[in-house]
Amino acid sequence: AQSVAQPEDQVNVAEGNPLTVKCTYSVSGNPYLFWYVQYPNRGLQFLLKYITGDNLVKGSYGFEAEFNKSQTSFHLKKPSALVSDSALYFCAVRTYGNNRLAFGKGNQVVVIP
Amino acid sequence: DAGVTQSPTHLIKTRGQHVTLRCSPISGHKSVSWYQQVLGQGPQFIFQYYEKEERGRGNFPDRFSARQFPNYSSELNVNALLLGDSALYLCASSHEDILNTEAFFGQGTRLTVV
Repeated sequence: AQSVAQPEDQVNVAEGNPLTVKCTYSVSGNPYLFWYVQYPNRGLQFLLKYITGDNLVKGSYGFEAEFNKSQTSFHLKKPSALVSDSALYFCAVRTYGNNRLAFGKGNQVVVIP
Repeated sequence: DAGVTQSPTHLIKTRGQHVTLRCSPISGHKSVSWYQQVLGQGPQFIFQYYEKEERGRGNFPDRFSARQFPNYSSELNVNALLLGDSALYLCASSHEDILNTEAFFGQGTRLTVV
């Protein structure tokens, strides 16, 4: 079975400060890891992925994430948060040959002006 | 390029009725998946189709069914609707090759069962 845990319900950060959204995962085999963002009443928008290679991956809108195999984590980061980053963020995992994504419950990010 | 398109965007149905949701994948994508997102939760996998064949099914009752057409578009059907089926239904398409593994989602269909 594959699963994702996003331990915090909401992350509050002041505009201009670093933003971190935490994610830990559980899979059998090598993980494919993803971050998505969802704005109100919208679908999911792909931000970045880790498949293999460098542990630090860069994605859209200045976001990056670090894969840590020993801690089974894939935390999302942004050096300087914008008010427009306020949204719901989902971490997801799958494995090669298993096409279903397992999502975490999501983290609401609130960037305070 | 057009993204994943879903129709309708909103739908209100009565308990016991049947509903059909439609999805058109990104051009060139042969894999389509369906997810259910209940308010306050992450999306839950319902089905995946690849080249018109079912490749995976989540933990949903037989009232849920789907199919994929020769043009790779897909339909999700739900029979005998229950209040608990109220959710955002998301369709995702992907290449499903070893490098291009990310799924791209449509805007969803908001289903309300009353």
